[in-house]
Amino acid sequence: DSGVTQTPKHLITATGQRVTLRCSPRSGDLSVYWYQQSLDQGLQFLIQYYNGEERAKGNILERFSAQQFPDLHSELNLSSLELGDSALYFCASNPSGPYNEQFFGPGTRLTVL
Amino acid sequence: KNEVEQSPQNLTAQEGEFITINCSYSVGISALHWLQQHPGGGIVSLFMLSSGKKKHGRLIATINIQEKHSSLHITASHPRDSAVYICAVYYGGSQGNLIFGKGTKLSVKP
Repeated sequence: DSGVTQTPKHLITATGQRVTLRCSPRSGDLSVYWYQQSLDQGLQFLIQYYNGEERAKGNILERFSAQQFPDLHSELNLSSLELGDSALYFCASNPSGPYNEQFFGPGTRLTVL
Repeated sequence: KNEVEQSPQNLTAQEGEFITINCSYSVGISALHWLQQHPGGGIVSLFMLSSGKKKHGRLIATINIQEKHSSLHITASHPRDSAVYICAVYYGGSQGNLIFGKGTKLSVKP
């Protein structure tokens, strides 16, 4: 158990809908990272937050947004969902930056029908 | 353009065999990570390397900065080592975060 929690575990929704994925980092970790893992693209970095502020952005679509709250939990919002958004979404955390070991949550499996 | 190349893509071994998985990258990096993804999907960080060699149990990771190459070795492999092993590099600077290889799927037969 990494200490990182993600909810929900599974999510099935329809095209055009909006969903919110939630991540609680390990106690004391200030950085939260979001990753998408699809069958054809593999793992891709989406976005990083550090202590409430956006620190780095990767291949995140404009339809997606994220935020980190004062209690350090983070949410990833996916809107106008398309079939291609079906993937595993992982959250990871660590005390500082991507140079260091990251601790991954169990992931949320999103299926868009 | 995939800046991190792993080989082989798939690997089948007999229990007890010595396993090597390779990772190559294109330009200088700040750090390299090896991750293990279990069949159920969970990801575990195995090593973070910036130079030299690290060992944890039956796992050994090495990195050659000059050759832009890293290897992950598993000694005395066991069926529970069956997983996907993923190399990820951190270039730093404007490339803000981890870039992942496509993974090596390892299957160890009893």
